[in-house]
Amino acid sequence: QKEVEQDPGPLSVPEGAIVSLNCTYSNSAFQYFMWYRQYSRKGPELLMYTYSSGNKEDGRFTAQVDKSSKYISLFIRDSQPSDSATYLCAMSGGVKAAGNKLTFGGGTRVLVKP
Amino acid sequence: EPEVTQTPSHQVTQMGQEVILRCVPISNHLYFYWYRQILGQKVEFLVSFYNNEISEKSEIFDDQFSVERPDGSNFTLKIRSTKLEDSAMYFCATGRLQETQYFGPGTRLLVL
Repeated sequence: QKEVEQDPGPLSVPEGAIVSLNCTYSNSAFQYFMWYRQYSRKGPELLMYTYSSGNKEDGRFTAQVDKSSKYISLFIRDSQPSDSATYLCAMSGGVKAAGNKLTFGGGTRVLVKP
Repeated sequence: EPEVTQTPSHQVTQMGQEVILRCVPISNHLYFYWYRQILGQKVEFLVSFYNNEISEKSEIFDDQFSVERPDGSNFTLKIRSTKLEDSAMYFCATGRLQETQYFGPGTRLLVL
């Protein structure tokens, strides 16, 4: 079983719709969960990070973590064509004194059509 | 807004040659990382660096790789003898706190 799994898509939605993305993981040691957006041939851009289980909202973005199910989600409300990108989930095993390596999912490609 | 910068943006090299990839972290960041992404594959962790030493490295980060922060600002990744399979996008990431990492735009390395 892969450590972090993510549906590659593409996920195509009309402008204004809610985009729903998710990842599953197998390593119960993961405690920090992040979502990055990556445009083609660019670096990942940090969108959201959450610690342990729960919800976090930032503007049009809502991140959810369910550690009991090893399942995380990202929702994008009122989607825009500029939201078209690949969305990567990433997670780490908690805070270490000297930094945390991130384990990434393979990314979901999202297309928002005008 | 401060950003992580990387140079060069593209590098083409011959197999067996040495390459040095450079990163300028955000100024008050303490944690430094290198990741790579082979075309069509996941972003993979290579190494983390804190307090002027390697804190963790992956199996990929073998003896042909090294990192340093020679002048207290630039953070470099050296690949001593490049192989065809080293062709990838290399990302530097930095963080002020352990739990957040901000990525640079990447260096696209092509080994011929």
